[in-house]
Amino acid sequence: GAVVSQHPSWVICKSGTSVKIECRSLDFQATTMFWYRQFPKQSLMLMATSNEGSKATYEQGVEKDKFLINHASLTLSTLTVTSAHPEDSSFYICSARDRRGYDGYTFGSGTRLTVV
Amino acid sequence: TQLLEQSPQFLSIQEGENLTVYCNSSSVFSSLQWYRQEPGEGPVLLVTVVTGGEVKKLKRLTFQFGDARKDSSLHITAAQPGDTGLYLCAPWEGGKLIFGQGTELSVKP
Repeated sequence: GAVVSQHPSWVICKSGTSVKIECRSLDFQATTMFWYRQFPKQSLMLMATSNEGSKATYEQGVEKDKFLINHASLTLSTLTVTSAHPEDSSFYICSARDRRGYDGYTFGSGTRLTVV
Repeated sequence: TQLLEQSPQFLSIQEGENLTVYCNSSSVFSSLQWYRQEPGEGPVLLVTVVTGGEVKKLKRLTFQFGDARKDSSLHITAAQPGDTGLYLCAPWEGGKLIFGQGTELSVKP
């Protein structure tokens, strides 16, 4: 079945630094990938839709200059958290759908970001 | 913006009991998916429902899509400790998958 690889699985960084998270579709091509964040004991909140070869579409309230998304190929999207602060600490999850339109979205295993 | 409500938010039951989780909205969905998530992992797709009134079964799990396609339910029969996890409903609308608040299920042996 479809596999989405997310890297790193966890990262600790200092306040003010930037962190890049990668999301790769391993055995399919995805024109669209999605980035979510999840706080403890809460559901997934959609941050942005990443479109291959074009600008990402951000949800209301998500700062696009802080959460930079790049989707340069059909198998890779990256999320960069710039100038990270402790309140950015969260679980970030990406998902992708096979461009052939097969049922369902496949999720990565998530990245636990801790900003100290 | 559609209002999506999932209930209950928390459920703690004994092994062998039955339970039902509900997902309701004021909007009509073109399709809806149910996911299960374990701590530290991404959600895993359980089922997709598309047709109003549709019922799908996955072993001890029964999923139903309302006739008007505004609501859905997940029923688990004879719950097992392995069913413990976060259950999420997610309608697909406007090119996006939006998640409900989730139901944290704990099944005690």
